[in-house]
Amino acid sequence: SSELTQDPAVSVALGQTVRITCQGDSLRRFHASWYQQKPGQAPILVIDDRNNRPSGIPDRMFGSNSGSTASLTITGAQAEDEADYYCNSRDINSNGLLFGGGTRVTVL
Amino acid sequence: EIQLVQSGGDVVHPGGSLRLSCVASGFTFHVYTIHWVRQRPGKGLEWVALIRGDKSAAFYAASVEGRFSISRDNTKYSLDLQMNSLRPEDTALYFCVKEAATGWPNLEYWGQGSLVTVS
Repeated sequence: SSELTQDPAVSVALGQTVRITCQGDSLRRFHASWYQQKPGQAPILVIDDRNNRPSGIPDRMFGSNSGSTASLTITGAQAEDEADYYCNSRDINSNGLLFGGGTRVTVL
Repeated sequence: EIQLVQSGGDVVHPGGSLRLSCVASGFTFHVYTIHWVRQRPGKGLEWVALIRGDKSAAFYAASVEGRFSISRDNTKYSLDLQMNSLRPEDTALYFCVKEAATGWPNLEYWGQGSLVTVS
């Protein structure tokens, strides 16, 4: 079955750069989008599949793609960036969507 | 302002049924695909279903195919998820989500979530 794989957790020092990756066969054909979710809140789209930021998303977040891997990079991480981050993409094996398992980002 | 306001979450016994509803405002409803996404307690996001704006197609995750049914009334700006033969593993917070103008997989606006507990 199709899946998107993310590292469960990553930490970053305040002001430093962190990269979150998402791997899967679907990403060879379809690009990923990225979501930020804070405790008790609904997810927020932070990077779309064209690697654009919706209005209001800080420009320290950007996305990239290479082969079967999509990446979300946060440069100059801030305390408010501490959250769970999920990737998603279309599923090459069905008419649906896939989500990665999520990466918890801790800002130290 | 774009809003998706959900209702219908409840506690239900295994094998039972429940209907979730979502009422939209602030955008031209019939133009956009709407998705349901769920999140089991303490777990990640899971895509459940989608329905196209013109109702031309609906698709489901394998885990709910044949048990869940998605529908919409474009005159009322409303969307439903009918859930039958519910299982304990369907326990989750269910979100209705508007797709972005750039199309899928971009999920732009999320409802507040409806909690379904199967126990």
